[in-house]
This record gives sequence, structure tokens and C-alpha cells, in this order.
Amino acid sequence: GQQVMQIPQYQHVQEGEDFTTYCNSSTTLSNIQWYKQRPGGHPVFLIQLVKSGEVKKQKRLTFQFGEAKKNSSLHITATQTTDVGTYFCAGGAGFQKLVFGTGTRLLVSP
Amino acid sequence: DAGVTQSPTHLIKTRGQQVTLRCSPKSGHDTVSWYQQALGQGPQFIFQYYEEEERQRGNFPDRFSGHQFPNYSSELNVNALLLGDSALYLCASSLNQVLVETQYFGPGTRLLVL
Repeated sequence: GQQVMQIPQYQHVQEGEDFTTYCNSSTTLSNIQWYKQRPGGHPVFLIQLVKSGEVKKQKRLTFQFGEAKKNSSLHITATQTTDVGTYFCAGGAGFQKLVFGTGTRLLVSP
Repeated sequence: DAGVTQSPTHLIKTRGQQVTLRCSPKSGHDTVSWYQQALGQGPQFIFQYYEEEERQRGNFPDRFSGHQFPNYSSELNVNALLLGDSALYLCASSLNQVLVETQYFGPGTRLLVL
């Protein structure tokens, strides 16, 4: 079946450093969504990318969808302690079905 | 405007028992999806309901079943509970308009099977 992998599994940075997580799918995706889950919380939608090569920015967060629509990345510039959590990509895999990635857990030290 | 709500928030059961989890979608949404999230893992798609019917199903055994009511709320039932069913169960609602619509997740039900 379809698999979505993320690297790294875990990253610990100092506040102010940049952070990037990469998402790779075994199959071509119709779209990619990104979610953030705080410890003890539930996934919260961040953004959706649909077009090949699409790049979207939300303040310090930059999201990119690969040309082949099989990979994506999330880059955070100048991390803050509020960025702590696990970031999941989720690929569209058929009508209204999401296949979640393995997640990248981000820890930010002040 | 209420978001997605789920009940109960926490539940403890023993092996072999049955459990029912409930979900009310975000106002205006007509599609409900259920996910299982084991500790340290990403959510895994269980199934999805639209127009009171199961539209898609992930790789979960028949012990997992569901229902959607005319008001779009939904239930997830798990029979013959196993220790491995311990997880956070998430309900997500969306609007059946485009291929993959943004899904809004509820706070989840944490199930512990002893």
C-alpha cells in the first residue's frame, strides 16, 4: 500500500535556528497537507498544496510540493519555543482519504 | 460555531470488551473520517462515512465498524478489544466538495485496553 515517510524522525534545535522536515511518498499524490500536533493534542491543519512545484509561505513557515508530486518539505526559519510539536505531512490518496507520514518531532530549547 | 467534538475523552476497557466512540462534525460538514493514532505514530485511516454509508476503508479488521446518522454525527465501534487497540482515536470532518478537502480533527478519545 501507499507509504509516506518523513525525515528526520526527531530534531532538537536551539531557539533561532532553522528547521526542515522532508516528506516522501511511494506514489504520486493528488495533494499534500501539513498538520502540527502539540504534545497531548490533536493534529491541526496548517496548509494544503495542490500544484506541482507549488511553494507557499505562512510567516516563518515555507511549504514546498515537489515537481513530481511525490515529495514535500516544511521549513521553519528562526524557530521559536512555540514551534514545539510533531509535524505531519498527509498525502491525498483517493477521495477524501489522507495517508499520514511518520511525523517529525521538533524540540526547541530557549 | 462548534468545531469537531468527540466523546468520551478517555476510556479504559479490558480485553474482549466492546467500545463505542462518538463524534459530532463541524457545523456544515457532511463527511466523517476516523483515524487511529498509536503512541509515537502518525494517524492511520480506519474508514470514512458520507451519506450514512461507509465510503472508504483502511486496513483495519471487521472488528472495527461504524455508523453515520442523518445529522452527520458518527460512531466508531470496536468489538473484541485487543491490547493493541490502545490508541488515540481521532475523528475528522470535512465537506464533500472537492477531491480532498481540509479535514478538521476533534480532540480525540484516548482508549486504554488492559
